[in-house]
This record gives sequence, C-alpha cells and structure tokens, in this order.
Amino acid sequence: GDSVTQMEGPVTLSEEAFLTINCTYTATGYPSLFWYVQYPGEGLQLLLKATKADDKGSNKGFEATYRKETTSFHLEKGSVQVSDSAVYFCALSPSSNTGKLIFGQGTTLQVKP
Amino acid sequence: NAGVTQTPKFQVLKTGQSMTLQCAQDMNHEYMSWYRQDPGMGLRLIHYSVGAGITDQGEVPNGYNVSRSTTEDFPLRLLSAAPSQTSVYFCASSLPGARELFFGEGSRLTVL
Repeated sequence: GDSVTQMEGPVTLSEEAFLTINCTYTATGYPSLFWYVQYPGEGLQLLLKATKADDKGSNKGFEATYRKETTSFHLEKGSVQVSDSAVYFCALSPSSNTGKLIFGQGTTLQVKP
Repeated sequence: NAGVTQTPKFQVLKTGQSMTLQCAQDMNHEYMSWYRQDPGMGLRLIHYSVGAGITDQGEVPNGYNVSRSTTEDFPLRLLSAAPSQTSVYFCASSLPGARELFFGEGSRLTVL
C-alpha cells in the first residue's frame, strides 16, 4: 500500500542554518504531496503542497519539489528562525482521493538562537 | 469562520469508561476523518466519511465507532476505553477534489 517515510529527528539547528528534511513515498498512480507543520500545543497547518510531478510548493521561505523519478518531496529552507521550531509532517493523498492522507512519522525541528 | 471545532480539548478516562469526541465543521465539507497521533508514528487514520450516512474504516479502527448523520458533525465514540487509546486525536475535513485537509486543534485523551 501507499506509504511515506521521513528522516528521523529530532533535528537541531542554529538560527540562519540551512534546513533539509527528507521525505520519500511509495504510491500507485498520481498522488498529491503535502508538508504540514505542527507548532507546540497546536493542530496541524498546511505548509505547502504539490499536485503533480515537478511541481514546486513554497510558503514562508520553505520549498519542496515533487520528484517522481526519485519518489521524493524533501523540505528545504535557506535560513531557519527560532520560530520555525515545530514538528513537520510529510503526507500524501492517494490517487483515489477519498479525503484521506497518509502521513510520515514526523520530524521535530528545534532551532537555537 | 470557526473551521473544524473539536471538543473536549482534554479528557481523562478510567479503563472501561465510554466517551464521545465531538467534531464539527462549518465549511460544508463532504469529507471528514479522524486521526490519532502517537509519538514516532505520525498520524494514523481511524475512520473516515465521504458524506452523510457513509463511513468507512481506516488503518486503526478497533475500539472506535463513528456515525455521520449530518454534513457538519462527525463524532468519534470510544466504547470501552483502554490505556492503549491514550493519544491525541485530530478531526479533519476537506472538499472532494481539494486533496488538502483542514484540521481541528486536537483532543488529548488519557486513559488510566
């Protein structure tokens, strides 16, 4: 079945460092891919998305490119801030699209001043 | 707009007790779903619904019941709580074809 694998955390970076969180997926057909962010004590918010191969999603300085050849959707940011400290989830929506998402295990990011 | 509203935010139960987690959305979304979040396991789908009167099981449905009598509401019932059901529960909704989900703020349940 469809699945998502994220790099294990926690990831600890200094402010202004470059961030990469790896995400790979297994899916049939043409899934959509997402990154969600969960700030401490809050629910999940959509960070960015990509609906087809080679699409690049971007928001708040974060980017991710839908790579079908490598089945990847890695999250990147050029310069992280303390306020980016959160848990990041990679997720896919299967081709069948019945309102379900399949999530990776989440990666905790801590940014130190 | 309130979006997706979950109640209660926190609940402590004893083993064997029953309870209902409420979820309501005011966006006229047809699709609704329940997930549980456990450390190191991401979010796992419990039950989902594609419209009023239609529900189906997700990855981890055992011990939970759902029903969908209206488009707005999708309650999750724990029939006989067990410590393994200690978790944070999220309700989500979406429009058909939209793919992305809108989440509530979560309900933290502890079963002693």
